Amino acid sequence: AQKVTQAQTEISVVEKEDVTLDCVYETRDTTYYLFWYKQPPSGELVFLIRRNSFDEQNEISGRYSWNFQKSTSSFNFTITASQVVDSAVYFCALSEGASGGSYIPTFGRGTSLIVHP
Amino acid sequence: DAGVIQSPRHEVTEMGQEVTLRCKPISGHDYLFWYRQTMMRGLELLIYFNNNVPIDDSGMPEDRFSAKMPNASFSTLKIQPSEPRDSAVYFCASRTRGVRSGNTIYFGEGSWLTVV
Repeated sequence: AQKVTQAQTEISVVEKEDVTLDCVYETRDTTYYLFWYKQPPSGELVFLIRRNSFDEQNEISGRYSWNFQKSTSSFNFTITASQVVDSAVYFCALSEGASGGSYIPTFGRGTSLIVHP
Repeated sequence: DAGVIQSPRHEVTEMGQEVTLRCKPISGHDYLFWYRQTMMRGLELLIYFNNNVPIDDSGMPEDRFSAKMPNASFSTLKIQPSEPRDSAVYFCASRTRGVRSGNTIYFGEGSWLTVV
């Protein structure tokens, strides 16, 4: 069973639109971490944000915001006023302590965001 | 600070040849990971090390794959013999452990392998 589900395979928007990327996770652990990574066309994987399971406070960083809701096991990512440079594949990841406490991340399949000018 | 450094960035090789991918983790990080990315399977963990010791290699696809970490600043992933289905992007990543770091892993730029 997938532990991290990114149901949106591809999203296409026009510049300046807001867009939300969904991430649903599954875990039985009480302590875990959630992450978002960005993979631009150049191919590298860039860390964007992490959240631990004890901190449900939402976060805003410029045009980026993240909504963590334990009640729905979701960790969604919103880009406000999207720009062409936001075009990338975005990965959500979960690391749990169950595997001997090692917190090895499992990644979703990614959502490809295409922002058209 | 230098990030995770991988080499080569791109490699094209013929089927049957040996391929060696190299990785230098971030200084001070005690965990090192090798991931493979393909369209079919996404990002999958191949193996990870803690303090230079392989901890879990259950993701290594078959005996043709091997990984070593002779010291804290260097790791290799070797494929021998290589096959076309090994074509993928291979990422190395590293992290330190603990609440402060949030167990965040940082990736290298990847090694793009094509086996023809």
